[in-house]
Amino acid sequence: AQKVTQAQTEISVVEKEDVTLDCVYETRDTTYYLFWYKQPPSGELVFLIRRNSFDEQNEISGRYSWNFQKSTSSFNFTITASQVVDSAVYFCALSRGTLNNQGGKLIFGQGTELSVKP
Amino acid sequence: DVKVTQSSRYLVKRTGEKVFLECVQDMDHENMFWYRQDPGLGLRLIYFSYDVKMKEKGDIPEGYSVSREKKERFSLILESASTNQTSMYLCASSLSRTPYGYNEQFFGPGTRLTVL
Repeated sequence: AQKVTQAQTEISVVEKEDVTLDCVYETRDTTYYLFWYKQPPSGELVFLIRRNSFDEQNEISGRYSWNFQKSTSSFNFTITASQVVDSAVYFCALSRGTLNNQGGKLIFGQGTELSVKP
Repeated sequence: DVKVTQSSRYLVKRTGEKVFLECVQDMDHENMFWYRQDPGLGLRLIYFSYDVKMKEKGDIPEGYSVSREKKERFSLILESASTNQTSMYLCASSLSRTPYGYNEQFFGPGTRLTVL
């Protein structure tokens, strides 16, 4: 069975601090995809990044970076020099790589609510 | 600009009422999904559809049904609303292209349903 765990329910930081959001996943598949989504107060989830199970390269996009480690089944997300606009709920999710279309189902973690205070 | 729209942002219904939540996407996506979001539980899949008139149960289908008569529209139906169905409902869509599982989902703004 697949499972995604985000152990941090809420995190509060002061602007300009660095913050890391943890994500641990469970799967027996060899091919799978990991995602991060951001849900701002407006409610609409926004896609941030996707990694496939064969690509363990870390990725950086501006102030955002992602660390994928298969050895620890983790896909952590770091925001450098956080800003108030980063305040949101962040979700980590997992999908299976399948041979047929099963709809691309996502298994979501519980979400981490990040509050960045000025 | 890709768009998933939901018929209402806020909805208040009474116990026992039949409730329709509508979702429309303009991206010609094959896959569509309905989730409910509750604090501490993340997003849980209710139903999904990978083609017109096709539907599959998700993790929590009890008390819900769905309809997909046209590719762009996916409806969630609460046959007899109950207070434990008070929640945020999110619709999403995605392409169905190989490699399967690869394509990200695009989400609507959500409908916050309160059942009294």
